Amino acid sequence: SAVISQKPSRDICQRGTSLTIQCQVDSQVTMMFWYRQQPGQSLTLIATANQGSEATYESGFVIDKFPISRPNLTFSTLTVSNMSPEDSSIYLCSGTRGITEAFFGQGTRLTVV
Amino acid sequence: DQQVKQNSPSLSVQEGRISILNCDYTNSMFDYFLWYKKYPAEGPTFLISISSIKDKNEDGRFTVFLNKSAKHLSLHIVPSQPGDSAVYFCAASAPGANSKLTFGKGITLSVRP
Repeated sequence: SAVISQKPSRDICQRGTSLTIQCQVDSQVTMMFWYRQQPGQSLTLIATANQGSEATYESGFVIDKFPISRPNLTFSTLTVSNMSPEDSSIYLCSGTRGITEAFFGQGTRLTVV
Repeated sequence: DQQVKQNSPSLSVQEGRISILNCDYTNSMFDYFLWYKKYPAEGPTFLISISSIKDKNEDGRFTVFLNKSAKHLSLHIVPSQPGDSAVYFCAASAPGANSKLTFGKGITLSVRP
């Protein structure tokens, strides 16, 4: 299995600011994804983090709001830009080596005030 | 539009009894289904999966049943243990989705000693 470390584990941020979440995998994974879990909701895919190129965003998510980097196979960052209280969520990084081996970080609990 | 539905938000069972967690889906293209377990302040961990070519998959105390005609799957845990108390997410994947998962909202299982 792979171990995925995310940081920070939680943060409280002022509206209008930006937060960058880091995700480190302890071994190579094929794909890396970023999910969001809003209160009482399911995990929703934000984007696929592509190594060395622009991320692939799902409907409803845009690069200006959620810029993502993946400079190598084991590291990715997600930035939540110009935050508003509606961005308060748990953000989860995921790495896969195939469908059955999807590993998740512990999540970043973000509160925007 | 929720493509994966977990309509019961919570379930409480007695230790030693069977827990049955249900999941319905609407996208007929889904061909792989997974269950994840999540403890507070931790990321989801993979539990068990099933391919659409099967109708049952068993792993120890956990069995997943798939009814394709009804677009329904269920997770059976028997016997249930207090350590099984967690949130359980149903997830699905379609061919060509590059390991992207569509999640339900989750069911909170409480196993009473």
